[in-house]
Amino acid sequence: SYDLTQPPSVSVSPGQTASITCSGDKLGDKFVSWYQQKPGQSPLLVIYHHTNRPSGIPERFSGSNSGNTATLTIRGTQPMDEADYYCQAWGSSTAVFGGGTKLTVL
Amino acid sequence: QVQLVESGGGLVKPGGALRLSCAASGFTFSDYYMAWIRQAPGKGLEWVSYIGSGDRGNSITYYADSVKGRFTISRDNAKNSLYLQMNSLRAEDTAVYYCARDGAVAAYFDYWGQGIQVTVSS
Repeated sequence: SYDLTQPPSVSVSPGQTASITCSGDKLGDKFVSWYQQKPGQSPLLVIYHHTNRPSGIPERFSGSNSGNTATLTIRGTQPMDEADYYCQAWGSSTAVFGGGTKLTVL
Repeated sequence: QVQLVESGGGLVKPGGALRLSCAASGFTFSDYYMAWIRQAPGKGLEWVSYIGSGDRGNSITYYADSVKGRFTISRDNAKNSLYLQMNSLRAEDTAVYYCARDGAVAAYFDYWGQGIQVTVSS
């Protein structure tokens, strides 16, 4: 089975840049999506196809993907960005999620 | 606007069965692949199952190994509805189950329902 690995937690100060990584074998060859989930809410798509932002997602969210690692970058992080973030890709006819990263803004 | 509303969850004993439904609106349901994704208490997201679009949608189905042979995904395009029949339920199936739309065929999940709780316990 295909696995995606994320760090359990990342901390960032308000206004700084947060980077959350997602690692998988030859991940750069796959389309990667990122989801934000706040407590008690459903996941929200924030990045798809490596770098694209859905309508309504702030420009401070961006993504990249190369080699074995995809990265979600949040520039000028705001307190409202504090949430769990999940990467997602497709294996062999199965969708796979990373274990999630808790982003703390303090 | 796109809406996905799950129903049918609840408390069931181990070995029991439950059928989840997802009512879709705000888009042409038959045009999109759909999925079920779950989240156990305090845990991350786990993809459960996936179904194709169009008239042949019910013949294009995929399952996670953890539910294969026990769960069946289906859809009724005339009713704009997605289903998940869950049999032989286990304690480890306890989770919030989300219905989600695939934005572009095995790509990304662009809309999610609010989720429905399924608890398997004696």
